[in-house]
Amino acid sequence: DVKVTQSSRYLVKRTGEKVFLECVQDMDHENMFWYRQDPGLGLRLIYFSYDVKMKEKGDIPEGYSVSREKKERFSLILESASTNQTSMYLCASSLDQGVVNTEAFFGQGTRLTVV
Amino acid sequence: KNQVEQSPQSLIILEGKNCTLQCNYTVSPFSNLRWYKQDTGRGPVSLTIMTFSENTKSNGRYTATLDADTKQSSLHITASQLSDSASYICVVSRFSGGYNKLIFGAGTRLAVHP
Repeated sequence: DVKVTQSSRYLVKRTGEKVFLECVQDMDHENMFWYRQDPGLGLRLIYFSYDVKMKEKGDIPEGYSVSREKKERFSLILESASTNQTSMYLCASSLDQGVVNTEAFFGQGTRLTVV
Repeated sequence: KNQVEQSPQSLIILEGKNCTLQCNYTVSPFSNLRWYKQDTGRGPVSLTIMTFSENTKSNGRYTATLDADTKQSSLHITASQLSDSASYICVVSRFSGGYNKLIFGAGTRLAVHP
């Protein structure tokens, strides 16, 4: 089974702090994604990566950056956390973007609260 | 605009009853449609996938339908169980520029009561 693991289930950070959210997948997937999930809005794509050291902006990249130094690890960075970044963050991975029916596998989520 | 709309927003049913969740989409070009189940505090897990040529697909007590002409899908849950309490998310994949982009609906929150 594919396993996508996020480093923390719950985080509480102060406004202005630099925050790192880590994600690791164990199935050698090329593609990795970071989403945030807010009530009534569905999942929104922040950033994705289709290869090591490659990254692409999603729909809401402002205030975030990412790092992918190794194939299995994709990090989301909040350079200066703000209260409007309080949300559930979900990491996902998939095998190959070129495969039409490829499935995205999700981690368990990190609920981040910025105070 | 590529959008996925789900209804109802929330639903409460009694254990053992059936229910149907709706998904309408305006995504183009269409690649496939998945229904995901998301338990509280967990990440989404895929239930079914449907491509353009498929009308119906079942996974145990879950049956998904797709009408590609009207751009509508439904998820029917038969003989509901307490463990079916979760959010159900409709996700439409748009294949463009060599990769799939996933468009998520906001989800339907289902509560099954004893």
